[in-house]
Amino acid sequence: QKEVEQDPGPLSVPEGAIVSLNCTYSNSAFQYFMWYRQYSRKGPELLMYTYSSGNKEDGRFTAQVDKSSKYISLFIRDSQPSDSATYLCATYSSASKIIFGSGTRLSIRP
Amino acid sequence: EAEVAQSPRYKITEKSQAVAFWCDPISGHATLYWYRQILGQGPELLVQFQDESVVDDSQLPKDRFSAERLKGVDSTLKIQPAELGDSAMYLCASSPNRQNTEAFFGQGTRLTVV
Repeated sequence: QKEVEQDPGPLSVPEGAIVSLNCTYSNSAFQYFMWYRQYSRKGPELLMYTYSSGNKEDGRFTAQVDKSSKYISLFIRDSQPSDSATYLCATYSSASKIIFGSGTRLSIRP
Repeated sequence: EAEVAQSPRYKITEKSQAVAFWCDPISGHATLYWYRQILGQGPELLVQFQDESVVDDSQLPKDRFSAERLKGVDSTLKIQPAELGDSAMYLCASSPNRQNTEAFFGQGTRLTVV
């Protein structure tokens, strides 16, 4: 079992829709959770990170962590074509190693 | 804005040849990571440095891969000899320290082995 599991998609939604991206993780000791966005042929860029359970909002993006179910989510409101990218969830192991999910490819249709 | 610099951006090499990638992290960042990303997959850690010391190279294929960060600043990742299965994106990232949650990635080097 992978430490971080993510549905690879692809996911295609119309412009303006609410997008929900999800991951599960296996180790209850994980504390920090991150979402990276990666455009084609580019390196990942950090979108948001959260600590422990709860929600964190940044503009149109909301990150949510549910430690009881080991579930992390990223919601995108009012999605735009420029949001089309691969979204990677990630967490830190106890050894400060960043562990990534496989990424979900998202396409926003104009 | 400070960036992680990587070169080259693209590299095509024949199998059995040697290839090297270079990374210059954000100034002052003590932690440096090398990741490999196969198309359609998430990045996987190859090696992690804290200053000039290796803190994790458990996933580095040491028979053909080597990495160094001699002065604790820039770093080089080498593959010798390259194999077809090494074709991937090689990403470098840096972080101020091991406890910091924000790691910043470079644009990567896309390697094609023919």
